[in-house]
Amino acid sequence: QLQLQESGPGLVKPSETLSLTCTVSGGSISSSSYYWGWIRQPPGKGLEWIGSIYYSGSTYYNPSLKSRVTISVDTSKNQFSLKLSSVTAADTAVYYCARGHVPHFDWLLLRDWFDPWGQGTLVTVSS
Amino acid sequence: SSELTQDPAVSVALGQTVRITCQGDSLRSYYASWYQQKPGQAPVLVIYGKNNRPSGIPDRFSGSSSGNTASLTITGAQAEDEADYYCNSRDSSGNHPFGGGTKLTVL
Repeated sequence: QLQLQESGPGLVKPSETLSLTCTVSGGSISSSSYYWGWIRQPPGKGLEWIGSIYYSGSTYYNPSLKSRVTISVDTSKNQFSLKLSSVTAADTAVYYCARGHVPHFDWLLLRDWFDPWGQGTLVTVSS
Repeated sequence: SSELTQDPAVSVALGQTVRITCQGDSLRSYYASWYQQKPGQAPVLVIYGKNNRPSGIPDRFSGSSSGNTASLTITGAQAEDEADYYCNSRDSSGNHPFGGGTKLTVL
């Protein structure tokens, strides 16, 4: 059974770079059937998609975060990572990693989804 | 537009049926996926595709889609279904915005 686990500092200073890693166990990160994503949730608020990376190396980022986000994959370690630069208090959130399923047609429309998810890790931006 | 719109809150009497909706232009091309989140826990996938449930999700959960609207229906809501529900869909640019979430209260 595939499992994902986020890791990284729980406290980051304003203006610095937030760095998190997601370790994938129980399966390979190198599959063209999947992509890998980061999602965050500020305290008391909803989910926000940050970005995704595909087997090909292609990346897609939330337009509102694009200038500050980098997602990369390390296949040798079965991990993928998130870097978010120039953080402020507004970046305080629980950060989740998740596996995405590459789109396929299901009857008339395309389907894709995130499953499974990691348990999440709280990152606080504060001096 | 890649935005997905959900009602902030919905309530249902125990054992009754409730529908949670999600609207957005991307839903004309992509199915929504639906996630249940209970306090202090990670989101859990409950519906994906046309109407698919992952292993372990009760069959009282079902999904449907029409035009720019996707729906999650719980038939015979249980107390343990009280949670926040989020829809998500890919858009034509490859982005994956989430809806704002619907807080379901089971009365």
